[in-house]
Amino acid sequence: EVQLVESGGGLVKPGGSLRLSCAASGITFSNYFMKWVRQAPGKGLEWVSAISSSGNYIHYADSVKGRFTISRDNANNSLSLQMNSLRAEDTAVYYCARDGGSGWDYWGQGTLVTVSS
Amino acid sequence: EIVMTQSPATLSVSPGERATLSCRASQSVSSNLAWYQQKPGQAPRLLIYGASTRATGIPARFSGSGSGTEFTLTISSLQSEDFAIYYCQQYHNWPPWTFGQGTKVEIK
Repeated sequence: EVQLVESGGGLVKPGGSLRLSCAASGITFSNYFMKWVRQAPGKGLEWVSAISSSGNYIHYADSVKGRFTISRDNANNSLSLQMNSLRAEDTAVYYCARDGGSGWDYWGQGTLVTVSS
Repeated sequence: EIVMTQSPATLSVSPGERATLSCRASQSVSSNLAWYQQKPGQAPRLLIYGASTRATGIPARFSGSGSGTEFTLTISSLQSEDFAIYYCQQYHNWPPWTFGQGTKVEIK
C-alpha cells in the first residue's frame, strides 16, 4: 500500500521557521518527481515546490522563493521542506504529492502550518 | 504562467443527474490536464489525467474531454459520494504547475 505521511506542522510566530517532512512507503520513491502543495483555509490548491527524482532539479513558487528549501533523501524515502521567514499568508495545510508523470497520483493527508503571533 | 479558470464556481445538482464542469486555460496546454476531487478534510484525489484518461480505480461515470484551452469533466449520474470540490490542473508548461480555483458540486 502506498503511503505518504507528512509531519512537522504546528503553530509558529511570524518570522519563524518550521521543517516539514514526508515519509513515503510502498513506492519506489527515488524514481519520481515529488511536490509540495498547500491549501490556505477555505481556499484552493497552490503548488509550492518540486524536486526531481535525483534532487538535481528544484523549483519554487514565486511566493516562497528564497524562504523555503525542498530536499529529499532517497535512501530513507523522505522528502522535506524547510520553511524560513514565515508569514501569516503561509498558513495552510501542506501536502506532499507524488508526480506520477501524468497527474499527481498519491498525496499525503496533509499537515497544518499556522503562522500567528 | 498559465492561468486556469473553472466554471461555474458552484454547481447544484440532484443525485442521479448529470454534472458538467468546465476548465479553461489561458494558453494551450495540449492534453496535459488533470482533474482532482477533494472532499472536506481530505487530500485531493486524482480522477483524470491526459485530459481524458481515468486514474486507477475511478468509476466510469467520470469522464474528461477537451484539448488545447477548453476542458470538461462530466459526471454522468451523481452519487452521494461525488459531492465535493473539483480542481483542474495543467502540467504542460511548468514551473509553475497551476490549478483552477475549483468547482464545488453541491446537492440541489
